[in-house]
Amino acid sequence: DQQVKQNSPSLSVQEGRISILNCDYTNSMFDYFLWYKKYPAEGPTFLISISSIKDKNEDGRFTVFLNKSAKHLSLHIVPSQPGDSAVYFCAASSFLTGGFKTIFGAGTRLFVKA
Amino acid sequence: GAGVSQTPSNKVTEKGKYVELRCDPISGHTALYWYRQSLGQGPEFLIYFQGTGAADDSGLPNDRFFAVRPEGSVSTLKIQRTERGDSAVYLCASSRAPGNQETQYFGPGTRLLVL
Repeated sequence: DQQVKQNSPSLSVQEGRISILNCDYTNSMFDYFLWYKKYPAEGPTFLISISSIKDKNEDGRFTVFLNKSAKHLSLHIVPSQPGDSAVYFCAASSFLTGGFKTIFGAGTRLFVKA
Repeated sequence: GAGVSQTPSNKVTEKGKYVELRCDPISGHTALYWYRQSLGQGPEFLIYFQGTGAADDSGLPNDRFFAVRPEGSVSTLKIQRTERGDSAVYLCASSRAPGNQETQYFGPGTRLLVL
């Protein structure tokens, strides 16, 4: 049972345009959500997070939106740059039900074309 | 500063053999996590250490998998009687303190191939 789902395996965007990566979750007890970025042969790198008490968090070119009623979050990258080309993982955790366990989605591979 | 390091970077073994995978967390980080990432999937939680003790080992798939962190720093993931299905990238992460909102810093992983 996949609790965190990233339904788009890949996404291609032109440099300078907006990239929107989507993530859905099923566990309503999740209270913290994260996005990680992964380059080949490297471990995932933390990008941005959001607590369930918020609906938006922004850090430079990266913004995460959380819609709790729809159990959906998205990562917006604007403007997209070729160096953003990587695999992006959505992740979620719940201290109440999962302790410190973090559940990851399968990832979306982003291609930013110059 | 030094990040999380993992050795070996690649390991090829035969079915039935025993392997050990090592993780050196960031200095001073008290929490350490092991994950397994299969092809086309995201990291899958295996075990979490707070200090020397395994606070949550609910992700270990069976009793062939075991992990230790005897001095609260370096950790070793041990796999007995390896099977072809154990082939994956094993990722280690550490965080400054326990807590699901603490940022986890990942190592580059050990790519295990069981023939």
